[in-house]
Amino acid sequence: RKEVEQDPGPFNVPEGATVAFNCTYSNSASQSFFWYRQDCRKEPKLLMSVYSSGNEDGRFTAQLNRASQYISLLIRDSKLSDSATYLCVLRMDSSYKLIFGSGTRLLVRP
Amino acid sequence: EPEVTQTPSHQVTQMGQEVILRCVPISNHLYFYWYRQILGQKVEFLVSFYNNEISEKSEIFDDQFSVERPDGSNFTLKIRSTKLEDSAMYFCASSPGQGRPGYTFGSGTRLTVV
Repeated sequence: RKEVEQDPGPFNVPEGATVAFNCTYSNSASQSFFWYRQDCRKEPKLLMSVYSSGNEDGRFTAQLNRASQYISLLIRDSKLSDSATYLCVLRMDSSYKLIFGSGTRLLVRP
Repeated sequence: EPEVTQTPSHQVTQMGQEVILRCVPISNHLYFYWYRQILGQKVEFLVSFYNNEISEKSEIFDDQFSVERPDGSNFTLKIRSTKLEDSAMYFCASSPGQGRPGYTFGSGTRLTVV
């Protein structure tokens, strides 16, 4: 089983739509969770950290379910500029390295 | 906003040649990293570096690879005897340290081995 699994997409949605991505992880010892955004041929950029209680940053809401070992990202009121690949990322407690999923591609159309 | 700087942005090299990829991490960061991303694949960890030594490395980081912090600002990745499958985007990153946020990636070096 892959350490981090994501639906590759693409998710093709109209502007203004709400879209949700899920990600599952295999190692229950995973301690820190993040959503990164990656534009084509660019570096990953931190979108938001994911906390057990769930957290929101503007149009973005992240949730963590440790019992089921999945995290989610909800994007409300999608903008054209949200088109990118969204990477589910985790870090183990004993390490500083980041473990990346393969990403979910989002296309927002006018 | 502080940033991680990588040079060159694109490097083309012949198979069997040695390449050195350069990075300038954020000045007050203590941990430095190299990741790579083969086209169409996920970002993969190569190595982390702290206190002038390797703190962790992946299976990918074999004897062909080495890292160095030759002075107070640069952090380099050397790939000896490059192979075609080394063609990838190589990202440098740095972070402040234990328990603190701020993991920052550079814009990457695209390595093409021909």
